[in-house]
Amino acid sequence: NAGVTQTPKFRILKIGQSMTLQCTQDMNHNYMYWYRQDPGMGLKLIYYSVGAGITDKGEVPNGYNVSRSTTEDFPLRLELAAPSQTSVYFCASSYEGTSIPQYFGPGTRLTVL
Amino acid sequence: GQNIDQPTEMTATEGAIVQINCTYQTSGFNGLFWYQQHAGEAPTFLSYNVLDGLEEKGRFSSFLSRSKGYSYLLLKELQMKDSASYLCAVRHTGFQKLVFGTGTRLLVSP
Repeated sequence: NAGVTQTPKFRILKIGQSMTLQCTQDMNHNYMYWYRQDPGMGLKLIYYSVGAGITDKGEVPNGYNVSRSTTEDFPLRLELAAPSQTSVYFCASSYEGTSIPQYFGPGTRLTVL
Repeated sequence: GQNIDQPTEMTATEGAIVQINCTYQTSGFNGLFWYQQHAGEAPTFLSYNVLDGLEEKGRFSSFLSRSKGYSYLLLKELQMKDSASYLCAVRHTGFQKLVFGTGTRLLVSP
């Protein structure tokens, strides 16, 4: 199993550009999440999904969009990139259950200039 | 809402024991997780507590007191590879989501 994979690993965007961060998991997890992590800060939840076709906002959803057409994939779309979106983005997945941990992908380091 | 506090940084010596504290305030508690995150890498799961008491996993143990809103991660026989950030995360009642603290950066020196 590859676990949770993310592409790209690094990206530099200009202000106003758009891009999609890809996330795929092969563990048949029904729950998937997107977080951002800024230096010295904790992980902040952007969006999450409890299954294909179902998504919901987290703590910091502004400027982002998601979709979940399959169990495996959960792409994150940035429209009109801003310097405030410079961050490391982590995708995670888990089974349903209160004691079940989330498993994280390797992250995408995004810089907006 | 939830508020989670951890010390920002700690230092310790190889072979020693270190305790990393986490305090939380939440309107509904449904479990606490500890994750380890090496610099430039993804967080990885270490432990889970939902009932009061100590959970032991090899060199790592985690303790929870729900009445005090307090947890700690205990690392024994420290190794250089334990230099990392340790993230405390709380699960709120009724939700699958986690709220993370800002993490404690641990530096282990020879």
